[in-house]
Amino acid sequence: ELKVEQNPLFLSMQEGKNYTIYCNYSTTSDRLYWYRQDPGKSLESLFVLLSNGAVKQEGRLMASLDTKARLSTLHITAAVHDLSATYFCAVVNNFNKFYFGSGTKLNVKP
Amino acid sequence: EPEVTQTPSHQVTQMGQEVILRCVPISNHLYFYWYRQILGQKVEFLVSFYNNEISEKSEIFDDQFSVERPDGSNFTLKIRSTKLEDSAMYFCASRETLTTDTQYFGPGTRLTVL
Repeated sequence: ELKVEQNPLFLSMQEGKNYTIYCNYSTTSDRLYWYRQDPGKSLESLFVLLSNGAVKQEGRLMASLDTKARLSTLHITAAVHDLSATYFCAVVNNFNKFYFGSGTKLNVKP
Repeated sequence: EPEVTQTPSHQVTQMGQEVILRCVPISNHLYFYWYRQILGQKVEFLVSFYNNEISEKSEIFDDQFSVERPDGSNFTLKIRSTKLEDSAMYFCASRETLTTDTQYFGPGTRLTVL
């Protein structure tokens, strides 16, 4: 069974700092997703990465995918308080079954 | 903007009772999903559904669970004989096609089993 590991699980950082969240997965997948979840809310799609070397950026967030290393990163640049949330990565197997990581709870302190 | 809707937002039930959670996916979407999230934990895949049949299901999705698309708009998750450990948020999601990779999630139904 495909396993997805995220680290760190908790991240407390100051505004203005940079940091990276890592997502490793155990078997081949060429599609990786990043979602954001605010407390008590649903999941918001951030990025869909479809191929090796894919890089996508939206505002202060940038996601990349290395399918050979089975690794995706979500980089946060100059964090602001509004980015505080839980971030999940997820991969899908060939048969439309999704596997989520445990999530990274990000707290950006003013 | 089209969105996935779910009802009810909160369902409280007694252990052993049956519940039906309802979802209305985005109208031109073809792939439908149910997920579960126990409080403070990760999102767990339950089942995917396409062309009126289950395409994938997880180990969690045992005989206690069933899904149905009874008409052209609703997508339901039935949980028979609920257990305490079924208490969780249940999210529905839909996707237009397999090559349109973005999944759109509904707001969720909080199920509390007493």
